[in-house]
Amino acid sequence: EADIYQTPRYLVIGTGKKITLECSQTMGHDKMYWYQQDPGMELHLIHYSYGVNSTEKGDLSSESTVSRIRTEHFPLTLESARPSHTSQYLCASSESLGVGTEAFFGQGTRLTVV
Amino acid sequence: AQSVTQLDSQVPVFEEAPVELRCNYSSSVSVYLFWYVQYPNQGLQLLLKYLSGSTLVKGINGFEAEFNKSQTSFHLRKPSVHISDTAEYFCAVSDRRQNFVFGPGTRLSVLP
Repeated sequence: EADIYQTPRYLVIGTGKKITLECSQTMGHDKMYWYQQDPGMELHLIHYSYGVNSTEKGDLSSESTVSRIRTEHFPLTLESARPSHTSQYLCASSESLGVGTEAFFGQGTRLTVV
Repeated sequence: AQSVTQLDSQVPVFEEAPVELRCNYSSSVSVYLFWYVQYPNQGLQLLLKYLSGSTLVKGINGFEAEFNKSQTSFHLRKPSVHISDTAEYFCAVSDRRQNFVFGPGTRLSVLP
């Protein structure tokens, strides 16, 4: 069974606050991803990482930042939250080696900025 | 560059009826194909994947998909749907570097 965890599941926060969304996986996967998804809409890749100390921006420009200090941990930070950041954030991981390995997803964090 | 098209944004179907969710892709390289399901307020769960070999792939919950290289399609089917199949379904492709591209999703609504 896939073990990838996101906390918190739901977060309501005021404008201007700094927030960190946590994502951890216990599968030893090198590659990790952050996607942004508005309700009922498609997924947009905002960040990914090939491994420790590797971070890349995705297809959708985002004001968030990420870090990868440990293989299992890939937190996403917003320095100053705004209402436009309201969305669902999905973390995923996959093996970087091997053919056609799937991505495993966390439960998501639904962020509301008021 | 890769892209995925899911032509139907919403598919309503009555319980116990068959359903097909369509997916077409484009890519200049060999790709691997996936179908994921997302229930409300949840992450994505893998239904099935195609890597190579037999073009008919069976997945969980009675779903299956057929890879058609000439039509660059990977349509998802189920012969008899249940109310519990109501969810959002995403088709995806990836390349050898695990760069995933997701389609816009199809909302399947199963009606009693």
